[in-house]
Amino acid sequence: DTEVTQTPKHLVMGMTNKKSLKCEQHMGHRAMYWYKQKAKKPPELMFVYSYEKLSINESVPSRFSPECPNSSLLNLHLHALQPEDSALYLCASSQDPGQYNEQFFGPGTRLTVL
Amino acid sequence: SQQGEEDPQALSIQEGENATMNCSYKTSINNLQWYRQNSGRGLVHLILIRSNEREKHSGRLRVTLDTSKKSSSLLITASRAADTASYFCATDEEGSARQLTFGSGTQLTVLP
Repeated sequence: DTEVTQTPKHLVMGMTNKKSLKCEQHMGHRAMYWYKQKAKKPPELMFVYSYEKLSINESVPSRFSPECPNSSLLNLHLHALQPEDSALYLCASSQDPGQYNEQFFGPGTRLTVL
Repeated sequence: SQQGEEDPQALSIQEGENATMNCSYKTSINNLQWYRQNSGRGLVHLILIRSNEREKHSGRLRVTLDTSKKSSSLLITASRAADTASYFCATDEEGSARQLTFGSGTQLTVLP
């Protein structure tokens, strides 16, 4: 299985809602990432988990809360988002955080905040 | 933060022609990678070139790396309509804890 899966594909939420994005990989990768991508822009790194521990948090607002329950799963909990948080949220994984870093991406969750 | 710039920002060619995209970056790197993204989808890894390599091939793709000029190019030969996508370079910077920094991207359109 060489796939990274993400659910849901689309999410519409109000500013007072709480929702979660989910990401799963079964390739035995030990690094997992969340990126945010606005239209016609490159992906921007949000969080990195290395061996299930948060290793990088790129100054992301606290209304985004990542969680790595085990080596195959990565969640992004959303609360009190703003309309400007609407974007494509991409999850990725790579085999070994200490080695050269080919990343495998999921298809993304298209988030709209009303 | 965004490491590099790509040019052109947009490129439109006819099927069968070659497409060349360029990427410049600012810091020392361990490797440079190219990714493709179809509209609104996830990124697909195309090729990785290490800092001690100068050229690499994969099928119709040819990547060059010039570390003295801090630049790379991606050549797609004999392009097809299915190659229409955004192409991003990404650098794995020295001392970066193996995180990737993406360039601004080139939107390639291949006309049938």
